[in-house]
Amino acid sequence: EPEVTQTPSHQVTQMGQEVILRCVPISNHLYFYWYRQILGQKVEFLVSFYNNEISEKSEIFDDQFSVERPDGSNFTLKIRSTKLEDSAMYFCATTTGSSGNTIYFGEGSWLTVV
Amino acid sequence: KNEVEQSPQNLTAQEGEFITINCSYSVGISALHWLQQHPGGGIVSLFMLSSGKKKHGRLIATINIQEKHSSLHITASHPRDSAVYICAVRSHGAQKLVFGQGTRLTINP
Repeated sequence: EPEVTQTPSHQVTQMGQEVILRCVPISNHLYFYWYRQILGQKVEFLVSFYNNEISEKSEIFDDQFSVERPDGSNFTLKIRSTKLEDSAMYFCATTTGSSGNTIYFGEGSWLTVV
Repeated sequence: KNEVEQSPQNLTAQEGEFITINCSYSVGISALHWLQQHPGGGIVSLFMLSSGKKKHGRLIATINIQEKHSSLHITASHPRDSAVYICAVRSHGAQKLVFGQGTRLTINP
């Protein structure tokens, strides 16, 4: 079974610090996503990425967030200056196409901002 | 109004019971996904539907596009089926999934 891998599994950071969450997509997948889930709430879309650029983003994905795929394998989410409300589980997900395809999620990166 | 509504929010049943979880949505969609979230937080895709019905083992998913409604059924439920089941939809022309709030299922032995 193909899998999406995420690191770290858990990170605790001071408010105002930069955080980078990493994801290794499934090798033949073309669309990459970041979602987040605040404790006790539903999963929310952050951003989608295709062909080395952002293809869709939510209102949550403001200037403090960025994504890139620097080396053609890792797909990263950077939060420049973390806030307490950024504490959440962040999920990377990938699909082969933009629609009509099974979506594969990583195990998540649990971010705690203190 | 939420775009995706699930019912019930919580469901407790005895092992062996037939389980139904419902999902209603308010927008035109290109696909609907049923997902399972384990206690540790990981999310696994169960089904992707755009019409009709799909079956995998003891799980059955149906969708009625005209009524904007989908159901997930579990036959002969087992304690290992205990998890949060999430409905998520993709609107026409969009890439993102919009998630329901999930249904927490507990199957007692």
